[in-house]
Amino acid sequence: QKEVEQNSGPLSVPEGAIASLNCTYSDRGSQSFFWYRQYSGKSPELIMSIYSNGDKEDGRFTAQLNKASQYVSLLIRDSQPSDSATYLCAVGPGGFKTIFGAGTRLFVKA
Amino acid sequence: SAVISQKPSRDICQRGTSLTIQCQVDSQVTMMFWYRQQPGQSLTLIATANQGSEATYESGFVIDKFPISRPNLTFSTLTVSNMSPEDSSIYLCSVDGGQGGETQYFGPGTRLLVL
Repeated sequence: QKEVEQNSGPLSVPEGAIASLNCTYSDRGSQSFFWYRQYSGKSPELIMSIYSNGDKEDGRFTAQLNKASQYVSLLIRDSQPSDSATYLCAVGPGGFKTIFGAGTRLFVKA
Repeated sequence: SAVISQKPSRDICQRGTSLTIQCQVDSQVTMMFWYRQQPGQSLTLIATANQGSEATYESGFVIDKFPISRPNLTFSTLTVSNMSPEDSSIYLCSVDGGQGGETQYFGPGTRLLVL
């Protein structure tokens, strides 16, 4: 069974710090990887996608992918209280059969 | 990104009844998806709906329980049939982001409570 694992948290960081969110996946054939942010009571919002090994930066967000270790992470620099949300890791094995992790709750303290 | 609306936004229903959820997109999209998110849990794909063909259901979901229509490239419906309290959940539609690589954009969701 294909799985995506995340620490449920909550992960608590002070404002201005770096938040590090981690995710592992079981399907070695997966080709696409995503991070979605979900505020309480809202629907998921795509914030990052990554398809090849290494780092991908977009503003304060950096996604990191290591296919050999089946590991993907999201770094949020200069964390703000508005970043407090649940972050869902999602893995695409192909054919739009995206598998979502259960999410990590992030709390940024002002 | 596509603008997606869902109706109703929430509902409270009696067991044994059925509810049809509508999903409207502001642009034509090839692929639409229906997900379920139970309280405190992640998203589970129910089915993929492509215009002009039968919906493709994931393991554990059947057409008799979750019939889906996709009459055109901007609209889809999901019906939750013969509801039980276990169907209480958030139902989300999403669409292919059109950027390649299987990105998706989600509608605001329908919160369903079955008594």
